[in-house]
Amino acid sequence: AQSVTQPDIHITVSEGASLELRCNYSYGATPYLFWYVQSPGQGLQLLLKYFSGDTLVQGIKGFEAEFKRSQSSFNLRKPSVHWSDAAEYFCAVGDRNNYGQNFVFGPGTRLSVLP
Amino acid sequence: DTEVTQTPKHLVMGMTNKKSLKCEQHMGHRAMYWYKQKAKKPPELMFVYSYEKLSINESVPSRFSPECPNSSLLNLHLHALQPEDSALYLCASSQFRGTNEKLFFGSGTQLSVL
Repeated sequence: AQSVTQPDIHITVSEGASLELRCNYSYGATPYLFWYVQSPGQGLQLLLKYFSGDTLVQGIKGFEAEFKRSQSSFNLRKPSVHWSDAAEYFCAVGDRNNYGQNFVFGPGTRLSVLP
Repeated sequence: DTEVTQTPKHLVMGMTNKKSLKCEQHMGHRAMYWYKQKAKKPPELMFVYSYEKLSINESVPSRFSPECPNSSLLNLHLHALQPEDSALYLCASSQFRGTNEKLFFGSGTQLSVL
């Protein structure tokens, strides 16, 4: 079974600063990889996903992520953070053997943004 | 229409009550999901329906009973819940076509069990 770790429980950055959120996964093959964002009391919104091909993927809201097979990582980056980016961020892994149905989420990283 | 709609948004129920959560999507998705999310925790998968058939049950207690009446609707029937079942219940859907899978989430039902 796949698993996901996000080493940082809480990160605080200043508005305009760059951001990197870390994600490491465990899976026997190349997984489906996702980043979702959740505002308080809301559902999850997909930021970006990786299935195959180019290991640098672009998402919405200026986010990007890079898949590194050798490090089993899929870190999320943004060059300049906006106050509206404050939210909970979840990395997720989908199982290729079951059309990705067995989505497993990491524990999440809470992002705070200082004015 | 790229929305997953969940009703109600908030629900308070006693331990002897019977209630239902509803989820609806009109994107033609053939997989639908129920997730449970406790505060400050990631969503945990409860059930998956594929083509209206239950394909995954993550050992969920029988006081939670899912139902998929058709390809657009997903219900979660609740009976004799415990206070520890209080959580945000999220519905999601996906295409179930293998190469472009991603979950679309509803906004959730915030459930409080008294």
